[in-house]
Amino acid sequence: EPEVTQTPSHQVTQMGQEVILRCVPISNHLYFYWYRQILGQKVEFLVSFYNNEISEKSEIFDDQFSVERPDGSNFTLKIRSTKLEDSAMYFCASSEAGTVKPSEGYTFGSGTRLTVV
Amino acid sequence: GQNIDQPTEMTATEGAIVQINCTYQTSGFNGLFWYQQHAGEAPTFLSYNVLDGLEEKGRFSSFLSRSKGYSYLLLKELQMKDSASYLCAVLKNYGQNFVFGPGTRLSVLP
Repeated sequence: EPEVTQTPSHQVTQMGQEVILRCVPISNHLYFYWYRQILGQKVEFLVSFYNNEISEKSEIFDDQFSVERPDGSNFTLKIRSTKLEDSAMYFCASSEAGTVKPSEGYTFGSGTRLTVV
Repeated sequence: GQNIDQPTEMTATEGAIVQINCTYQTSGFNGLFWYQQHAGEAPTFLSYNVLDGLEEKGRFSSFLSRSKGYSYLLLKELQMKDSASYLCAVLKNYGQNFVFGPGTRLSVLP
């Protein structure tokens, strides 16, 4: 079964450093998403991306964050000047079309646990 | 605003039936999804409702009442592996992002 791959699974970084979280969406999917989940809290939407541009973003997704599709397979989330409160699990997701398939929902990746120290 | 409420924790016995409720108030609605999430893992899709009524899928069923802003997930013949968090999520816009509830942590006891 096709899956969304995220690397690394766990990243530890010092406060103020930049991190890049990487995702390889399912190959025929066109819509890509980033969500985050702070430990013990709910999953929160960050950004959606289609046709090489952001289609929607949340209030969380401020100037500290950026996304990019640098080639035909990768989808990255860059966090500049990380803060302690950026520590969370970051999930990438993809969908074939803009309409989520009722039979599937999204396909989420297994996540990157980011720890800012 | 966006508000989705679920009970924080529930406990049930192996073999029993449990119902997890979800109430929502969102600025848009294009379907309600239930996801299962084991600790430290990604959410996995369980069910979807966009019309009122009950959807059955094996041991899992989900119900939706749009007029009441209410859904529930029903798990039958509980197994130990069903111990997980269950996330209620509203698809806000047509094909775009989810608003997730806080999740209900279900513990299944022998």
